[in-house]
Amino acid sequence: GAGVSQSPSNKVTEKGKDVELRCDPISGHTALYWYRQRLGQGLEFLIYFQGNSAPDKSGLPSDRFSAERTGESVSTLTIQRTQQEDSAVYLCASSFSGVIDTEAFFGQGTRLTVV
Amino acid sequence: AQSVTQLDSQVPVFEEAPVELRCNYSSSVSVYLFWYVQYPNQGLQLLLKYLSGSTLVKGINGFEAEFNKSQTSFHLRKPSVHISDTAEYFCAVSDDQAGTALIFGKGTTLSVSS
Repeated sequence: GAGVSQSPSNKVTEKGKDVELRCDPISGHTALYWYRQRLGQGLEFLIYFQGNSAPDKSGLPSDRFSAERTGESVSTLTIQRTQQEDSAVYLCASSFSGVIDTEAFFGQGTRLTVV
Repeated sequence: AQSVTQLDSQVPVFEEAPVELRCNYSSSVSVYLFWYVQYPNQGLQLLLKYLSGSTLVKGINGFEAEFNKSQTSFHLRKPSVHISDTAEYFCAVSDDQAGTALIFGKGTTLSVSS
C-alpha cells in the first residue's frame, strides 16, 4: 500500500479482555516498530522487528503484551487481559532497513480504550 | 538510558511570527536526533534529522534545527510560521545505529493563529 496501515482505528474493550491490533507496513520495508502513546506522554518504544532476526522485545511493559510478524509483512500486537492503564494510542512504523538513517514511516495508530 | 525533554507542552503564536520549539536530551557519547511532526488526524512524519556533520540541519516546510552538544539541545526553529504549521511536534533521540531505540519526548503542540 501507499503507507503504513493500522486497524482498527479505534477499539473499546472491557477490562480483562484480549485485543489484537494489526499493522500492515509499507511493501518492501524490512523493519517494523510498535510504539505506545499514552495521553500527554511521548512515544514509548514497545518492540522492533528487522527481517528474519529475533525481535527486540525490550520495550514490552509486561508479559501480557506480545507481537508477531509474518515474514516481512503484517504484524499483530496482542494485549491479553487488558487493564485500564493499557488505554493509549498504539502506533506502528516501518522503514526500509532499520538502519538509523532511513526514515521510519508511521501509521495513524489504533486508539485503545479499556473500560 | 537516553531521555528527551520538550520544555514547552504548548506554544501559541501568530501567523508570520518566528517560533522555537525546545528539546534537550540526556548526554551520551554520540547521539542521533530527530524531529517528527504530526498534523491533525495524520500519522507522524519525519521533519528533519541530525546524524553527523553540520550542526545546522534543514528540514521540510522551512524548519531547521541546531545541534548543540555542549548544551545537549536540538531546538527546532522557523523564521515565519503559517497556519498550516499547526501540529504536534516530537523530538526524538537515539544512540543506537540499529534504529531500535528511538526515544521520544512528550511533544509540543504548536498553534498558529491569524
